[in-house]
This record gives sequence, structure tokens and C-alpha cells, in this order.
Amino acid sequence: GQNIDQPTEMTATEGAIVQINCTYQTSGFNGLFWYQQHAGEAPTFLSYNVLDGLEEKGRFSSFLSRSKGYSYLLLKELQMKDSASYLCAPRPPLVFGKGTRLSVIA
Amino acid sequence: GAVVSQHPSWVICKSGTSVKIECRSLDFQATTMFWYRQFPKQSLMLMATSNEGSKATYEQGVEKDKFLINHASLTLSTLTVTSAHPEDSSFYICSARDAGVGYNEQFFGPGTRLTVL
Repeated sequence: GQNIDQPTEMTATEGAIVQINCTYQTSGFNGLFWYQQHAGEAPTFLSYNVLDGLEEKGRFSSFLSRSKGYSYLLLKELQMKDSASYLCAPRPPLVFGKGTRLSVIA
Repeated sequence: GAVVSQHPSWVICKSGTSVKIECRSLDFQATTMFWYRQFPKQSLMLMATSNEGSKATYEQGVEKDKFLINHASLTLSTLTVTSAHPEDSSFYICSARDAGVGYNEQFFGPGTRLTVL
């Protein structure tokens, strides 16, 4: 089974940086995925980490520490359109927790 | 990038009828597809894993006789909600894993919104 823990809600200001943390416990590990989901839409892929360290992809970066069962998603230069839920999930099949609902305010 | 389609995108049906939802991988082969369900303001819940040519594996608490899954080809999986009731009204999303990609990314379809009257 899997246990995934993320903050339920976060609020940040347009143009700022926000870090969304994720801790997980899983039997077997094959990568940590981050997805974004806007209300009423399907999730879209953001990033994938299989080794420890930071993966950077434009305004989004994701960090992984396998020994600590810990990951974070870093969003820079926040835009209003980044208001969404952010879901982390270890290994396929992807089993998601409740995710973090991010609100970006002006 | 890989594209997954679902049909229909929304459906309204009467209680007691059956509804079939199709999930297709358009530009890749998917040996494994996944079906999720999401109620309003709730998290995505994995219902079942569908492998091409074999029986689906259902998650605990999901009735296999109510949610029939068929994965007849490498590009098509179907979910049939049998004898639907209002409590089955939900957002159903399929996801497919690209067999040719090393890191097992799952691509999601756009979802099907089911309303049972």
C-alpha cells in the first residue's frame, strides 16, 4: 500500500515562489510523479524524479529524497493560472492522495 | 506527446441503465490502462488496472460485476457501468501507460462526466 501526505491548501501571491511538500510511504519505488489538476479537468503531468536531487523544468522544479520518503514541487514566478490542485504519487499505478489545492492571489 | 482520448465526454442516463465509456491511446500502445473515479472536491480514486488480453485487477471496495472492464487491444479499454444508480454519478478518468517509455509515465484522458438521474 501507499501513504501520501501533502498540505491540504496553500495560498501564495502572484509572482512569488511556493514549495509544496509531499511525504510518502510505499512498498516498492519506481519514481515520484507530480501532476497538476484544474477543477473539472484530468490531471496533467508536471515532473518525474527517480533519483535523489532536483529536476528543473522551466518554472517548475521537483526534488526527491528517497531515504526520507520526501519530495517537493517548487513553483516560481507564480501566475494566476497556476491555481490548481497539485498531486504527488509514487510509482505506477499512480495512487493519489488528496493533493494540495493552491490558490494564487493578486 | 502521447494522447489519450475518452468517449463520451459527458453522459446523462436513467437509473438502471448501463453506460459504456471508451478510452483510447491515440499515438502509442498501452499494455496497461487505469480507471479512476473522482467525486466533487475529492481525490482521484484508482478503481482498477486493466491489462491488454487479461482480466482487470480491481481495487478494494470496487465491485467488478458493476464496473466491467475490457481491454481488448493495445489502444482501447472500455469501462461499463452496469445498472447505474445516482450514486454512480461521478467523473471517470482513464489513464494509459506508454509501453515504449522507460519511466512509466501515465497519460490521462480528458475524463467522462456521468450523471445518473
